[in-house]
Amino acid sequence: TQLLEQSPQFLSIQEGENLTVYCNSSSVFSSLQWYRQEPGEGPVLLVTVVTGGEVKKLKRLTFQFGDARKDSSLHITAAQPGDTGLYLCAGVADKIIFGKGTRLHILP
Amino acid sequence: DTGVSQDPRHKITKRGQNVTFRCDPISEHNRLYWYRQTLGQGPEFLTYFQNEAQLEKSRLLSDRFSAERPKGSFSTLEIQRTEQGDSAMYLCASSLSERTDTQYFGPGTRLTVL
Repeated sequence: TQLLEQSPQFLSIQEGENLTVYCNSSSVFSSLQWYRQEPGEGPVLLVTVVTGGEVKKLKRLTFQFGDARKDSSLHITAAQPGDTGLYLCAGVADKIIFGKGTRLHILP
Repeated sequence: DTGVSQDPRHKITKRGQNVTFRCDPISEHNRLYWYRQTLGQGPEFLTYFQNEAQLEKSRLLSDRFSAERPKGSFSTLEIQRTEQGDSAMYLCASSLSERTDTQYFGPGTRLTVL
């Protein structure tokens, strides 16, 4: 069984602070994805990382794929209240397998 | 095209009743997926269609659940004899068959079984 563990489960920080959330897998996926989900909505794909060691940036968000392609991190610089949401990592194999997510709350 | 749509957005039903949800995918997408998301969890795969063919079903999909995509466009998910444990958000997603890693999700149908 392929499992994705995300940490922390919950994170509440002040606006302007930096943060990192993590995704660790028990096995190798062909790629890892990060999604953001807001209450009452479906997940929205932020990024797909494919190559071990790959780093992708999306404005203030930096995504990194581990060298062994079993872990990933999401770093947010100068967090803003609009970053509040559930951040899900997902492994892509023959289907997409989601972690439980990190619920992020940015306090103004 | 405005993306994947789902109807209804919310459904409250009594235990034992049947419910049916609809998903309209992005028009050119030939793959359609159903997921279930319970509180504190990520989405869990239920089933998917390639055009009108249902190609895979998770063991989460008990015999009370049935999904159809009769014309390869919209899909329905029916739950018979609902149980309180069926309460969840039911998400639909669609993709092109050659880009199954890029799925677009609908807003979901939140089911509450009383």
